[in-house]
Amino acid sequence: QKEVEQNSGPLSVPEGAIASLNCTYSDRGSQSFFWYRQYSGKSPELIMFIYSNGDKEDGRFTAQLNKASQYVSLLIRDSQPSDSATYLCAVNSGFQKLVFGTGTRLLVSP
Amino acid sequence: NAGVMQNPRHLVRRRGQEARLRCSPMKGHSHVYWYRQLPEEGLKFMVYLQKENIIDESGMPKERFSAEFPKEGPSILRIQQVVRGDSAAYFCASSPLRDRIYNEQFFGPGTRLTVL
Repeated sequence: QKEVEQNSGPLSVPEGAIASLNCTYSDRGSQSFFWYRQYSGKSPELIMFIYSNGDKEDGRFTAQLNKASQYVSLLIRDSQPSDSATYLCAVNSGFQKLVFGTGTRLLVSP
Repeated sequence: NAGVMQNPRHLVRRRGQEARLRCSPMKGHSHVYWYRQLPEEGLKFMVYLQKENIIDESGMPKERFSAEFPKEGPSILRIQQVVRGDSAAYFCASSPLRDRIYNEQFFGPGTRLTVL
């Protein structure tokens, strides 16, 4: 079982729709969770982090965490073509290193 | 406010040569992490360093790879006797490490290593 799992996609949504990206993790002791966006050929860019169960909103982005289900998600409202990228879920189990999923490719069509 | 800086951005080496990758953390950050991203694969942790200390090198290959973060100057990831399988993007990240849980890591632009 992979430590952090994501559907590779691509996830295709029309412009203006809500994109929902999901991630599950295996280490029940994981304590902090991160979403990075990576455009092709570029470096990962931190867009959201969440530490407590529930929702955290920042602009068009909402991160959701359910530690009991070992599940974290990212919602992107009013999706734009510029949101088209690979979204990486990363988990920190308290030992500082981040464990990454392989990413979900999001395509937002005009 | 300068971000994480890495150089060179692109590096070409022939098999058997040495590759030296440099990383300067963001201002105010004293913790550096190196990750490797192979083509079509996810980011893999390699090593975590503080000034003059290697904290966790559990992701480093046992041979040919080494890392340092001296008191003065950038962190360096060194790959000796490179092989084609070392071709990848190497990313450095830094964090302020407010505590062991709240540890947002910010990535540099990466060094893309190509081994001929």
